[in-house]
This record gives sequence, C-alpha cells and structure tokens, in this order.
Amino acid sequence: DVKVTQSSRYLVKRTGEKVFLECVQDMDHENMFWYRQDPGLGLRLIYFSYDVKMKEKGDIPEGYSVSREKKERFSLILESASTNQTSMYLCATVLGGTRSTDTQYFGPGTRLTVL
Amino acid sequence: QKEVEQNSGPLSVPEGAIASLNCTYSDRGSQSFFWYRQYSGKSPELIMSIYSNGDKEDGRFTAQLNKASQYVSLLIRDSQPSDSATYLCAVSNDYKLSFGAGTTVTVRA
Repeated sequence: DVKVTQSSRYLVKRTGEKVFLECVQDMDHENMFWYRQDPGLGLRLIYFSYDVKMKEKGDIPEGYSVSREKKERFSLILESASTNQTSMYLCATVLGGTRSTDTQYFGPGTRLTVL
Repeated sequence: QKEVEQNSGPLSVPEGAIASLNCTYSDRGSQSFFWYRQYSGKSPELIMSIYSNGDKEDGRFTAQLNKASQYVSLLIRDSQPSDSATYLCAVSNDYKLSFGAGTTVTVRA
C-alpha cells in the first residue's frame, strides 16, 4: 500500500509567520503534489514536483513556495502566512514517470488556521 | 466556465436505492477520469478510475464515460449509510488533475 504522511493534522499560526508543511511518501514515486481544499472550490493545485529539485507552479502558487531535496519528501512553505491561507492542505503522490496520468494517492491532510 | 462541473447536491437517497452522480468537463484532450470519495475531515480516496468510453463496474459502483459528450458519471447501487460522503470527480490531461467541487451524498436509513 502507498503511504503518504503529512507532518501535522492541525496547525494554528499567526499572520506573518513562516510556515512549513511537510509530506513524506514511502513508495519511491517521482511525482508529488500540493493542493489546498476550500468549501465550494474543490481541490486546487498549488505546486507540483516531478523529480528532486524540480518543481512547477500549479493554478494558485502565489504566496507559496516548495522544496524537494529528497525524492520522498516534498515541503510546502508559506513565506508569510495570511488569513486567506487558512485551508485544508493535501499532499498527493503518483506512480509513474514525469507527467504520469496514473492514480493520485493523498496524505491525511493538514488543516491550517492562520489567525 | 469551470473545467470540471458536478451536480451540486446535496443528494439524499434512501438505503438500498441507486445514487447517481454526474460530472462534465471542458477539456476535450482529457485522458483519465477518476472518482474519489471523501468522508468529512478525511482526505480523498480513490474508488474508480476509467480511461475509455463505456461502463466500468466495481462491486456496487459503476462509472460511465462518454468522451464525445464530455461526460462521466458514477452510479452507486444498493446505497448504504457508509456511502454517505462527498464524491469528487477528477479529470486528467497530462499530469494535472482538475477536480470538481464535489457532490455530497447522504444515505437515509
């Protein structure tokens, strides 16, 4: 079974703080994704990585950055958290080569609240 | 126009009935189609994937794809209370998944 873990289930931060969300997968998958999920808007792609040190912007990258130093670990960084970044953050991974259209597997999610 | 649209719901069905969920998409180049189930407070889990026109059955679930009409559906037969969840339609072109907003299904005992 694919296992995707995220560093925290719940996180509360203050406006202006730098926030790190970490995702780890144990299946040697090349492709990893960060989404946010908001009521009525569905899941929206923030960033995508198809290899170590490689990244691509998704649909809503503003206010976020990512880091992928090791294949199994993909970090999402909020450089200066704002209240409109309060959301559920989901990491996903997919088997297959770059730009694979295979099934995406999700981590448990991190519910981030920015006060 | 949203890339992926689902019937808005919520959908309430009696136990044992068929729940029918619909999804349309705008990108004709889409190649892969998925249905995810998401329980409240949990992350999405894959229940069906479909890649070619026609029907695909897996237990009580049947996915239907019509690429000409840009339409994909999910039928849940013999609905159970454990099927109460939000169902997300996802459509893939290249690596990117586009999700619908989801349809919430409640199965009444």
